[in-house]
Amino acid sequence: SSELTQDPAVSVALGQTVRITCQGDSLRSFYASWYQQKPGQAPILVFYGINNRPSGIPDRFSGSSSGNTASLTLTGAQAEDEADYYCHSRDSSGNHLVFGGGTKLTVL
Amino acid sequence: QVTLRESGPALVKPTQTLTLTCTFSGFSLSTSGMCVTWIRQSPGKALEWLARIDWDDDKYYSTFLKTRLTISKDTSKNQVVLTMTNMDPVDTATYYCARIPNYYYNYMDVWGKGTTVTVSS
Repeated sequence: SSELTQDPAVSVALGQTVRITCQGDSLRSFYASWYQQKPGQAPILVFYGINNRPSGIPDRFSGSSSGNTASLTLTGAQAEDEADYYCHSRDSSGNHLVFGGGTKLTVL
Repeated sequence: QVTLRESGPALVKPTQTLTLTCTFSGFSLSTSGMCVTWIRQSPGKALEWLARIDWDDDKYYSTFLKTRLTISKDTSKNQVVLTMTNMDPVDTATYYCARIPNYYYNYMDVWGKGTTVTVSS
């Protein structure tokens, strides 16, 4: 079982804003990172740390964290943003890594 | 340009040992803070972290699989090898390697395309 919990599915209307959340006790101590995965493709990093977006990732992707919850916010969702999104961090021991169960984002 | 590429057998039999190689370029695993990690994804399932090896040769394994996994590196060849013993059909998955450029933040900034492994007799 995953130590990071995500909603299995979220939907958003085209052009609207959606927040994908990730909960876990380890997030009180360690940063989260977020990955987008489209069918048949490897995941790509879309956000990490306090406020870091990799080069080439649109600025409509942003992240935040509070307490035991990390969030990925998509402001102005586009059709191409439809994908699975995974959060990732360390586990409570700090020595191992863990992924959330993933959130399937549907853009309506 | 940083790239990683996974290689290994596409098919293994139950009870066999799987050996996967991650060949990378564009960075050195001797650089302080650098790590390479392995992740897998069973069909239709979530990503699952397997193991990580650090620039200083520290190694970390999934709690659930640690008795079956061994990770090692050959810095001169720019390769990281993962072995998994006693393979079972439930280990059928796509296996990815990825770079972690900063062990403290632990994010995986570049991934390989993955290699699909089927476990079947």
